[in-house]
Amino acid sequence: GENVEQHPSTLSVQEGDSAVIKCTYSDSASNYFPWYKQELGKRPQLIIDIRSNVGEKKDQRIAVTLNKTAKHFSLHITETQPEDSAVYFCAAIFYNQGGKLIFGQGTELSVKP
Amino acid sequence: DAGVIQSPRHEVTEMGQEVTLRCKPISGHNSLFWYRQTMMRGLELLIYFNNNVPIDDSGMPEDRFSAKMPNASFSTLKIQPSEPRDSAVYFCASRSGTGAQGYTFGSGTRLTVV
Repeated sequence: GENVEQHPSTLSVQEGDSAVIKCTYSDSASNYFPWYKQELGKRPQLIIDIRSNVGEKKDQRIAVTLNKTAKHFSLHITETQPEDSAVYFCAAIFYNQGGKLIFGQGTELSVKP
Repeated sequence: DAGVIQSPRHEVTEMGQEVTLRCKPISGHNSLFWYRQTMMRGLELLIYFNNNVPIDDSGMPEDRFSAKMPNASFSTLKIQPSEPRDSAVYFCASRSGTGAQGYTFGSGTRLTVV
């Protein structure tokens, strides 16, 4: 079945440093790999996504990479700022199953000023 | 557009009581998802509907949980009887089109069962 594994569960970095969160998925039928940011008490918000036929995508300080052969995808945040502190979730969308969206376990990122 | 609307925002109930969570998806969206979020288990997909039809309910934890979507503008998630371990934030999301941008989450319902 579908499964998305995410690590680390917690990550603490100094302001200005980079942060990397990694995920793996089990079902090669997945088409899209979104990343969500969730601040305390708020709903998950989409920050970036990548399609299965693309290897890398960048949006300002955020980049995602996808290795479809290895079934790995990663989120890279550069020049981290305290406001980047939140829980980040990777996810996978399965359009062959009616658009099923499942999440990894989440990474709590703390950026220390 | 008001987005995905969930009610109530907060619910406190006693163990054994019936709880009904409500969701109004965005007009025109043809898919609806129910998630449960806890510290221990993260964001779990409970059930989802396409065109008001349940597609996959394998994430529903027990028979105490049931979900319905009687029409395109309304869905309910019911827990009967409720237990303290059901305490969580329940999110509803709706989707239109392809790509991750098509998914919109509601603000969630924080359920506390005492």
